[in-house]
Amino acid sequence: NAGVTQTPKFRVLKTGQSMTLLCAQDMNHEYMYWYRQDPGMGLRLIHYSVGEGTTAKGEVPDGYNVSRLKKQNFLLGLESAAPSQTSVYFCASSGVGRNTEAFFGQGTRLTVV
Amino acid sequence: AQSVAQPEDQVKVAEGNPLTVKCTYSVSGNPYLFWYVQYPNRGLQFLLKYITGDNLVKGSYGFEAEFNKSQTSFHLKKPSALVSDSALYFCAVRDMRSDKLIFGTGTRLQVFP
Repeated sequence: NAGVTQTPKFRVLKTGQSMTLLCAQDMNHEYMYWYRQDPGMGLRLIHYSVGEGTTAKGEVPDGYNVSRLKKQNFLLGLESAAPSQTSVYFCASSGVGRNTEAFFGQGTRLTVV
Repeated sequence: AQSVAQPEDQVKVAEGNPLTVKCTYSVSGNPYLFWYVQYPNRGLQFLLKYITGDNLVKGSYGFEAEFNKSQTSFHLKKPSALVSDSALYFCAVRDMRSDKLIFGTGTRLQVFP
């Protein structure tokens, strides 16, 4: 049982380049989330999904897109990376009802130069 | 809109002393509340949750939290701190209308020998 797996773990991008971060969960969770963590800012919700084929905007969605074509995968895309998107990105998944605590991946450290 | 406030950036306690990490929240309707811990270069780990029922919730590693509806607070506590408890702690709230899971800015706990 791997839990939540993020790929890649590290990446350096040049300004204007694009990339996709992959999140995979093997717990059959309905909900999945993408956060970014910056010093002093805590975790800020970028986008989230409440089920296969659904996505919704979080607190800081600008500059990012997401897709959830399969229940177990949640992709985060950066179409044209900017230095302000330098951050650590975390994916999480959770169940519904009382089993609603989120499980997190190990994070992706992204640097945009 | 839902929100979570952790008023202390840092909490320092001596080993063996009780610790409290504060959290207040704002959400429409009944909240689902959570505490997570993050060790350096790791993802977040779930500690405990409040869904309904007893206001005092017990979680992992001897931590507990007290839900206070009138004060909209969910403070994390431990009767006797350990040096190994030193980490970054996050409070989170789920808005049951939007299904967003929103985090506070985090509190760094330092337990000194």
